Amino acid sequence: NAGVMQNPRHLVRRRGQEARLRCSPMKGHSHVYWYRQLPEEGLKFMVYLQKENIIDESGMPKERFSAEFPKEGPSILRIQQVVRGDSAAYFCASSPEDSYTEAFFGQGTRLTVV
Amino acid sequence: AQSVTQLGSHVSVSEGALVLLRCNYSSSVPPYLFWYVQYPNQGLQLLLKYTSAATLVKGINGFEAEFKKSETSFHLTKPSAHMSDAAEYFCAVSDGGGSNYKLTFGKGTLLTVNP
Repeated sequence: NAGVMQNPRHLVRRRGQEARLRCSPMKGHSHVYWYRQLPEEGLKFMVYLQKENIIDESGMPKERFSAEFPKEGPSILRIQQVVRGDSAAYFCASSPEDSYTEAFFGQGTRLTVV
Repeated sequence: AQSVTQLGSHVSVSEGALVLLRCNYSSSVPPYLFWYVQYPNQGLQLLLKYTSAATLVKGINGFEAEFKKSETSFHLTKPSAHMSDAAEYFCAVSDGGGSNYKLTFGKGTLLTVNP
């Protein structure tokens, strides 16, 4: 049973470009969570999704950031018009239907904006 | 709202010595508490969790933590450090209610193990 898969592992974007981060949850998991880790900080919750639904996006910046978890395929975190302050590690976690506390994290995508 | 404070951003111990990583939390509702470990260039791995059962929780790799409500603490310990324990450790809290999926993390403690 493969773990949570995130790709790419490293992503470099110039200011103003778009970044797309992908997350494939563990088999059988229908809940996906995105967290951001800024340098010298702990992880900060961004968004919680179920298939085709955004359940809680209270941690998402109001502009330029969006997330989706379609019926088929991975969850996508999209950052438009990236700025230097978006440079961070973005982690995805997934959990099964009936247990939020059994969340498993992926290896993260390290985004660098130059 | 929950918050987590990890005392000491960097802890250094000798191999075979006791490991103690401190975590204090604040929560307006009964919390769920977690410790995660992050090895270099890896994702976070769950070490152990407290979800209102026994206050002394045993986890993987010989780690354990004790929930002390009166002290609002959830310190992580291991009797004898091994070189392979060198990593960054994160304490996290979620509320035990409707949004218990949302983890609030501390800033992490980097553990160094000296030979």
